[in-house]
Amino acid sequence: GQNIDQPTEMTATEGAIVQINCTYQTSGFNGLFWYQQHAGEAPTFLSYNVLDGLEEKGRFSSFLSRSKGYSYLLLKELQMKDSASYLCAQVDNTDKLIFGTGTRLQVFP
Amino acid sequence: KAGVTQTPRYLIKTRGQQVTLSCSPISGHRSVSWYQQTPGQGLQFLFEYFSETQRNKGNFPGRFSGRQFSNSRSEMNVSTLELGDSALYLCASSLGQLNGYTFGSGTRLTVV
Repeated sequence: GQNIDQPTEMTATEGAIVQINCTYQTSGFNGLFWYQQHAGEAPTFLSYNVLDGLEEKGRFSSFLSRSKGYSYLLLKELQMKDSASYLCAQVDNTDKLIFGTGTRLQVFP
Repeated sequence: KAGVTQTPRYLIKTRGQQVTLSCSPISGHRSVSWYQQTPGQGLQFLFEYFSETQRNKGNFPGRFSGRQFSNSRSEMNVSTLELGDSALYLCASSLGQLNGYTFGSGTRLTVV
């Protein structure tokens, strides 16, 4: 099977920058997604990386290194509303989305 | 445009019963995937349907089944419910991988 590893919990302060790391198995890789999920709500799409490098979207950026099986989500200028779970998901070679267990981020004032 | 709609939002069933959950994708989306989300396991892939055909299947027992209709609406069925089936069941629709997958709000199933 495929293992997606990400930290279980992280904390940060409002206005700060936080980096959430994700490692995955490189075999059968077809792309990587990041989703945000607030408690009791549906996951919402943040980013998709299939080539190496950094994709920037406003306060959120996502980075991918295919050779290292590594991605990170960078959140800048943190706001209280960014408190949520962040899900890393790999697309495998059958186009299935394989999710990690998620990183719960708490932002404090 | 309307998002992904899942019904019902909440459901309580007894062990041994069966349940059917419904998912209406975004108009024009032909791919529908189903996931089970539990606190300890995260999102686990159940199956994916595309144009009424099951295109992919996760590692769940045969008690879990699904289908997709010609209008792309999908249903999943769980027979002989077990306590461990209590979870949030999410469906996601997609136009194609590069467009991402849009999730519905889920059906929270509690088995007692």
